[in-house]
Amino acid sequence: DTGVSQNPRHKITKRGQNVTFRCDPISEHNRLYWYRQTLGQGPEFLTYFQNEAQLEKSRLLSDRFSAERPKGSFSTLEIQRTEQGDSAMYLCASSSSGGRDEQFFGPGTRLTVL
Amino acid sequence: AQRVTQPEKLLSVFKGAPVELKCNYSYSGSPELFWYVQYSRQRLQLLLRHISRESIKGFTADLNKGETSFHLKKPFAQEEDSAMYYCALSGTYSGAGSYQLTFGKGTKLSVIP
Repeated sequence: DTGVSQNPRHKITKRGQNVTFRCDPISEHNRLYWYRQTLGQGPEFLTYFQNEAQLEKSRLLSDRFSAERPKGSFSTLEIQRTEQGDSAMYLCASSSSGGRDEQFFGPGTRLTVL
Repeated sequence: AQRVTQPEKLLSVFKGAPVELKCNYSYSGSPELFWYVQYSRQRLQLLLRHISRESIKGFTADLNKGETSFHLKKPFAQEEDSAMYYCALSGTYSGAGSYQLTFGKGTKLSVIP
C-alpha cells in the first residue's frame, strides 16, 4: 500500500497520560500536515511540515502538543498530560511540493481519553 | 479569516433524483476550493477541485465568486453516492509553504433506494 499510513489506528488512554502517534506519508511527498477532527466537525489544521522543518502551527496546538518529522520522512505527534477534550480523530495528510497539490489523507488515529 | 459553511448536516434524496450539496465560503483573496468525500469505513479522499473543472463520478461543482459558493451537484443520485461530503478551501500561499485546508462541517448524503 503506497498511501499514507497512521499508527496506531485506535488509542485509549487515561487522563494525564502521554500518547504518541505516527504518520508515514507517501514516500515522495515532502509536505506533511496534521489535522484534528472532533465529532460533528470537519478536520481542523494543527501543524505543517516541509521536509523536516515545522513551518506552521495552529493556535489549536497547545504547549502540550509537539510534533516532529526527523529526516523529513515519517512524523510523530505527541500529546502530553492528555485531557478529555483531546479525544478526537487525528488525521495526517501529505502532498508533493507543486503548489496547492492534492492532500492525501491517512486513515486517522482515534484517541479516546478516559 | 477563512471560513467554509455547509448549511446541511444531512441530505436525503431518492435514487435517480438530483443532488445539490451547498457550500459557501468566506475569504478575501483567491481561494482554491475542493470537495472531499468519505465513504463508510474509508479515508477522506479528494472528489474534485474547482481548478480542474472536471466531472468526477457524475459530480460537478462551479465556483461562483459573486455568491462565494461552490455547490456540488449531480443530476441523478446513485446509492453508492451515500457518504460524508466536505467542502474545503485552501487560501493564499502563507509564506511558510503551507496550503492548509479549511473544512466545512460536512454534509451526510443518504441516497434512498
